[in-house]
Amino acid sequence: EAQVTQNPRYLITVTGKKLTVTCSQNMNHEYMSWYRQDPGLGLRQIYYSMNVEVTDKGDVPEGYKVSRKEKRNFPLILESPSPNQTSLYFCASSRQGDGELFFGEGSRLTVL
Amino acid sequence: QQQVKQSPQSLIVQKGGIPIINCAYENTAFDYFPWYQQFPGKGPALLIAIRPDVSEKKEGRFTISFNKSAKQFSLHIMDSQPGDSATYFCAASMMSSARQLTFGSGTQLTVLP
Repeated sequence: EAQVTQNPRYLITVTGKKLTVTCSQNMNHEYMSWYRQDPGLGLRQIYYSMNVEVTDKGDVPEGYKVSRKEKRNFPLILESPSPNQTSLYFCASSRQGDGELFFGEGSRLTVL
Repeated sequence: QQQVKQSPQSLIVQKGGIPIINCAYENTAFDYFPWYQQFPGKGPALLIAIRPDVSEKKEGRFTISFNKSAKQFSLHIMDSQPGDSATYFCAASMMSSARQLTFGSGTQLTVLP
């Protein structure tokens, strides 16, 4: 089954404790991206990757890091989480140049 | 800067009604306009998309109407069903690229039985 898998699905952490949200896709897609979803703000792009070792900032990259060492994986790293990073996070992937994004089921993060 | 403005924020209709969700954009370079549907606890999924060379596109009960001169597009759901209750996001991008996809703020639709 074609899918984008995120882990963990739910996480409660404290300010400053580094965490990583993993994302893996099995569709051999070149493009991967992270979004955060907040009420009234829709989906805002954090980072994206056009291919292995190629990453770039989206609209709200502050406080986040990413890496793309393998085509299928695109982890999101919060080095020092803060309460304003409490949000619902989505990983997505797409064929290169194709407008259709395939989303994971989301990771709900709470930073206390 | 919100490049895609979506309204209304929430919408409640009776079964069989025709909910309409509207979006307006500013960037004339946008050339791909998808709608995504999101059920509670799930990620968004592509519902239907349109390019500016056509004014309307239908897929089943879902129709996109596109007005290039007004820089507006809308989603109509014919004969709406309780199973259509979800959050709907419009989006826009340049060069039909997922990389450039900008989303609206979302509309929470409730279809009453």
